[in-house]
Amino acid sequence: NAGVMQNPRHLVRRRGQEARLRCSPMKGHSHVYWYRQLPEEGLKFMVYLQKENIIDESGMPKERFSAEFPKEGPSILRIQQVVRGDSAAYFCASSSVGDSHEQFFGPGTRLTVL
Amino acid sequence: SQQGEEDPQALSIQEGENATMNCSYKTSINNLQWYRQNSGRGLVHLILIRSNEREKHSGRLRVTLDTSKKSSSLLITASRAADTASYFCATANSGGSNYKLTFGKGTLLTVNP
Repeated sequence: NAGVMQNPRHLVRRRGQEARLRCSPMKGHSHVYWYRQLPEEGLKFMVYLQKENIIDESGMPKERFSAEFPKEGPSILRIQQVVRGDSAAYFCASSSVGDSHEQFFGPGTRLTVL
Repeated sequence: SQQGEEDPQALSIQEGENATMNCSYKTSINNLQWYRQNSGRGLVHLILIRSNEREKHSGRLRVTLDTSKKSSSLLITASRAADTASYFCATANSGGSNYKLTFGKGTLLTVNP
């Protein structure tokens, strides 16, 4: 049973480009969470999704950021018109229930904006 | 201070010694969890302690929780060089959004061989 998978592991973008981060949850998990880790910081909650639904996006910046978890395929975190301040590690977690007890984290995508 | 704040920020010890890290938080919690992160890597879940528990053990790890003081400690006994990593506590609030983990900035532990 593969764990949470994220790709790419490293992503380099120039300012103004778009970044698309993918997360495949563990088999049987229908709840996905995205967290962002800035350098020297802890993880910050961004968004919680279930299949085809955004449950809580209270941690998402109001502009340029969006997330989806379609019926088929991975969850996508999309950052439009990236700026240097978006450089961070983005972690995805998944669970079988919408609960903090069962979240399993992926290896993260490290985004660098030049 | 922020929710789930660890101290010390950095800790350096010799192999074989014990390492103690502390975490303080502000709100009512459903549970508190400790994670390890090796440099540039993902998170590894270490242990979860529920709000109605006071102490929990897992191998060389011992976690305590004092809800009256809103604090927790993580003790690693007989440390090894491989324990070198950043350690984070994360809290899940009681109430409707208990899926949301709030992390502190972490303690960087260095175990010298």
